[in-house]
Amino acid sequence: AQSVTQLGSHVSVSEGALVLLRCNYSSSVPPYLFWYVQYPNQGLQLLLKYTSAATLVKGINGFEAEFKKSETSFHLTKPSAHMSDAAEYFCAVSDPRFQKLVFGTGTRLLVSP
Amino acid sequence: EPEVTQTPSHQVTQMGQEVILRCVPISNHLYFYWYRQILGQKVEFLVSFYNNEISEKSEIFDDQFSVERPDGSNFTLKIRSTKLEDSAMYFCASSGAGDTIETQYFGPGTRLLVL
Repeated sequence: AQSVTQLGSHVSVSEGALVLLRCNYSSSVPPYLFWYVQYPNQGLQLLLKYTSAATLVKGINGFEAEFKKSETSFHLTKPSAHMSDAAEYFCAVSDPRFQKLVFGTGTRLLVSP
Repeated sequence: EPEVTQTPSHQVTQMGQEVILRCVPISNHLYFYWYRQILGQKVEFLVSFYNNEISEKSEIFDDQFSVERPDGSNFTLKIRSTKLEDSAMYFCASSGAGDTIETQYFGPGTRLLVL
């Protein structure tokens, strides 16, 4: 079985500050990992994905994440937060043999001026 | 840019009634999914569908649920007899084949409220 733990249901940063959203996973097979973003009243939008190529993955809107097998982590970072980054962020894991995504509980990012 | 669409955006129904949630996946995609998100909880997988049959389903997806691809463009989720606990946001997703199969594109969701 696979699972995802997202530490911190809410993260607050100031505009221009570093964004760090934490994700740890559990998987019995080498996983695929994803970050999705959900803006208010919208669906889930893929930010980036790891599918066993480069461990440092760059996504849209300046976000990136690093797959660290030894730490079973896939933390999401952005060097400088923008007001428009305020949203809910979901980490997800899947078994490459199947397509089911297993999501974490989400982290709401708040960005203050 | 192609996108997944869902109708209706909101639906209110009485307990015990049947509801059908509709989705139009991205046109060249081959895999289709339903997920749900109960308010304040995580997004949960319900079912995946490929080649006109269910490929995987969760424990949530019991006999009250069914999926169908009635034509070349729509993908539906039917709940036969709704319960209060079915109140949730339901997301449809689709993905392509080959090396894009793992990338699921989500629709905006249907918020279902069962009274």
